[in-house]
Amino acid sequence: DAGITQSPRHKVTETGTPVTLRCHQTENHRYMYWYRQDPGHGLRLIHYSYGVKDTDKGEVSDGYSVSRSKTEDFLLTLESATSSQTSVYFCAVRLAGGRTGELFFGEGSRLTVL
Amino acid sequence: TQLLEQSPQFLSIQEGENLTVYCNSSSVFSSLQWYRQEPGEGPVLLVTVVTGGEVKKLKRLTFQFGDARKDSSLHITAAQPGDTGLYLCAGGGGLWGAQKLVFGQGTRLTINP
Repeated sequence: DAGITQSPRHKVTETGTPVTLRCHQTENHRYMYWYRQDPGHGLRLIHYSYGVKDTDKGEVSDGYSVSRSKTEDFLLTLESATSSQTSVYFCAVRLAGGRTGELFFGEGSRLTVL
Repeated sequence: TQLLEQSPQFLSIQEGENLTVYCNSSSVFSSLQWYRQEPGEGPVLLVTVVTGGEVKKLKRLTFQFGDARKDSSLHITAAQPGDTGLYLCAGGGGLWGAQKLVFGQGTRLTINP
């Protein structure tokens, strides 16, 4: 168990409001990721982090920002939520060792933007 | 455009039947992973293949990496209702670099008793 906690697990908000999702890990993993999951699209990478204050964009980063001020926390922020950002968001950590980059996922945060 | 294409996207079969799920790409990957996801949970890693032509078995599940490392397959023998779930393939390395995984769109498998 890589000790990942996502919060909140469920959130309903209105268009135009800011939203922050939190991913907390307890095992000092260097790499952390935010994915979104939508029907027919599998998992798509939003942003990832390769260390404190080190982040990079994924394939669907528009409308999202991230921050990692300490190893254990990776925050995903929607500055002004839109209905197209209704989705299930998964945080993941890269398991240590090797070159194959296996991921361990949190349980997800379901966001509904009305 | 999906970098990794899975087929079929939906599959519903009877208990005891065999099935194969495919994961195809035009890109070469250094590794290919398969995950299984159940409702309300995050994906869980099943296996990683790294060598072209590699075959790995996990009980009734057989995973194969294509010789050119562009495709993979998952074969389930004598499917059980407990095999029901969303199966995702994910490629590492290649165009996306070593730090990121790209996922297929998933195959939703239902095994009927």
